[in-house]
Amino acid sequence: GAGVSQSPSNKVTEKGKDVELRCDPISGHTALYWYRQSLGQGLEFLIYFQGNSAPDKSGLPSDRFSAERTGGSVSTLTIQRTQQEDSAVYLCASSLAEGLANEKLFFGSGTQLSVL
Amino acid sequence: SQKIEQNSEALNIQEGKTATLTCNYTNYSPAYLQWYRQDPGRGPVFLLLIRENEKEKRKERLKVTFDTTLKQSLFHITASQPADSATYLCALGEGKLSFGAGTTVTVRA
Repeated sequence: GAGVSQSPSNKVTEKGKDVELRCDPISGHTALYWYRQSLGQGLEFLIYFQGNSAPDKSGLPSDRFSAERTGGSVSTLTIQRTQQEDSAVYLCASSLAEGLANEKLFFGSGTQLSVL
Repeated sequence: SQKIEQNSEALNIQEGKTATLTCNYTNYSPAYLQWYRQDPGRGPVFLLLIRENEKEKRKERLKVTFDTTLKQSLFHITASQPADSATYLCALGEGKLSFGAGTTVTVRA
């Protein structure tokens, strides 16, 4: 596609429910990243993929968080048993190469998650 | 621990003036540093990348400096316009990019 696409753009859920957030990266981009941004805060790194594998999962806050990527393209971030502190904007980004600090990232508009 | 710190205060300036934003980092030895712009409700958009051996880089009305001795980058918006109002983030890393919290700039007409 023309840009990074994320869905849904907004998600309201009840505490304890599971949610799935989807990211469709730019075609041909091999690297895909998930970040979380809480209100007024910077971007918190969660996980990155090179192809379908995740060399760096160091940012996942707990075992309630998981992510997968299939076909080297679409990625899904799953949060199980959501808690109120999970409320944030979840941003996905893609780049041409993996984990290189000279690669610029292309971001989607994010999914605003609200846990009631 | 590694830290990236940006001006904690929001910046309010008059149209036509120069805005100067600061990014300081500790416990990194980056070969590159990037700057992004973020508008409300949108993801960050890449603006500029500067290499460790570059002292200064320019793009239109934007200028970035990178001092690896001071562990600091300065980001300047010259001849500022109301359309420049946004949050500006610096980012660096050895591998995955880490971001500062950003500085919000408001340009008054």
